[in-house]
Amino acid sequence: QVQLVQSGAEVKKPGASVKVSCKASGYPFTSYYMHWVRQAPGQGLEWMGIINPSGYSTRYAQKFQGRLTMTRDTSTSTVYMELSSLRSEDTAVYYCARRGSSTSFYFAFDIWGQGTMVTVSS
Amino acid sequence: QSALTQPASVSGSPGQSITISCTGTSSDVGGYNYVSWYQQYPGNAPKLMIYDVTKRPSGVSNRFSGSKSGNTASLTLSGLQAEDEADYYCSSYTSSSTWVFGGGTRLTVL
Repeated sequence: QVQLVQSGAEVKKPGASVKVSCKASGYPFTSYYMHWVRQAPGQGLEWMGIINPSGYSTRYAQKFQGRLTMTRDTSTSTVYMELSSLRSEDTAVYYCARRGSSTSFYFAFDIWGQGTMVTVSS
Repeated sequence: QSALTQPASVSGSPGQSITISCTGTSSDVGGYNYVSWYQQYPGNAPKLMIYDVTKRPSGVSNRFSGSKSGNTASLTLSGLQAEDEADYYCSSYTSSSTWVFGGGTRLTVL
């Protein structure tokens, strides 16, 4: 079945970087873009950016420009989200979420990973 | 890009209907028919309930429906059930080729 499996929880110190992985299975990896969305404790969802696993193009929310890097490894069907210069406000659950196909759900997030808790604390 | 505006909470009794609004601008909600809605239970990932303003993915109850007027989209749940108690988020594609979410609405079934 189609699923996205993310890496485990992380604890980082302020100023450090974190890299979260999202392994896709059950569908052709390079045929679907992947989003990253985060949710701070008790807060709403926040869109971070999107990567095209095929062409490697990315687009990031302006808020994260310069701190966020999305990459992918087609050999393992895995996308990565790396956030640098971490601060306490980056404490959140980070989700990968698949963009729908060009024929359906194209502007929605149709499959979600289970989430990865990232805690930034000194 | 500012978050879309949703009411913090709504409530209704079993069997009733409720509507959750999602207000944006002409650069997002009003400019595209690409509004989607998500249901999220505590501790779980969100689930797609409505896409392209009015469409339901396979497997989603027809008690869920979506609409849009101007810069405001709406999610309506009819025949409320206890299992509908959750957080609901809207999202829209934007003129900057990015996406934006609403602040979320907590639905309480009385």
